[in-house]
Amino acid sequence: DADVTQTPRNRITKTGKRIMLECSQTKGHDRMYWYRQDPGLGLQLIYYSFDVKDINKGEISDGYSVSRQAQAKFSLSLESAIPNQTALYFCATSTGTNQETQYFGPGTRLLVL
Amino acid sequence: QKEVEQDPGPLSVPEGAIVSLNCTYSNSAFQYFMWYRQYSRKGPELLMYTYSSGNKEDGRFTAQVDKSSKYISLFIRDSQPSDSATYLCAMSAGAGGTSYGKLTFGQGTILTVHP
Repeated sequence: DADVTQTPRNRITKTGKRIMLECSQTKGHDRMYWYRQDPGLGLQLIYYSFDVKDINKGEISDGYSVSRQAQAKFSLSLESAIPNQTALYFCATSTGTNQETQYFGPGTRLLVL
Repeated sequence: QKEVEQDPGPLSVPEGAIVSLNCTYSNSAFQYFMWYRQYSRKGPELLMYTYSSGNKEDGRFTAQVDKSSKYISLFIRDSQPSDSATYLCAMSAGAGGTSYGKLTFGQGTILTVHP
């Protein structure tokens, strides 16, 4: 079984709808991250959490919110989806060492019409 | 200007070629340098990791860091079609400061190795 799972894998929604992307991990890591990936822009950090009580904004948090329900679960919400939020979204986890190896889920492909 | 710059390519080479992938950066606080490989429709996975300046070799892959020039490279020898993927450089300042625990990624280079 995959260590980092994301649901759904693909989602089509309409402008103005609220949607939630979910991430679960079995690696036992405290740190979790949400990124979006757009062609030519690489990975951009949306939010990150170093433990259940610690939530931090990344470089592109506007229009997004997150919830850390447990050590193993970290959800990303788009409060009112807009077309320029169409992207590939990745969840990642890490152990919290200096090396900061991050382990990524398989991604959620989101299309906002 | 982005903190990390990476030529997005695409880069197409014949099987057996030596591939050179590069990133430049502007933040002198970066100490930890990584290369991630991302296959189509998959999440990125760590390929190589280097701390500070120097070289690191792992099989056909060699990572180089030149902190004085703020320049990192990944070399792939005897490239194979299975190396076809997007390669992302990533960097971290490590412990301390507001960037602690966060990675900054390059844009990614799309590599195709054709038989």
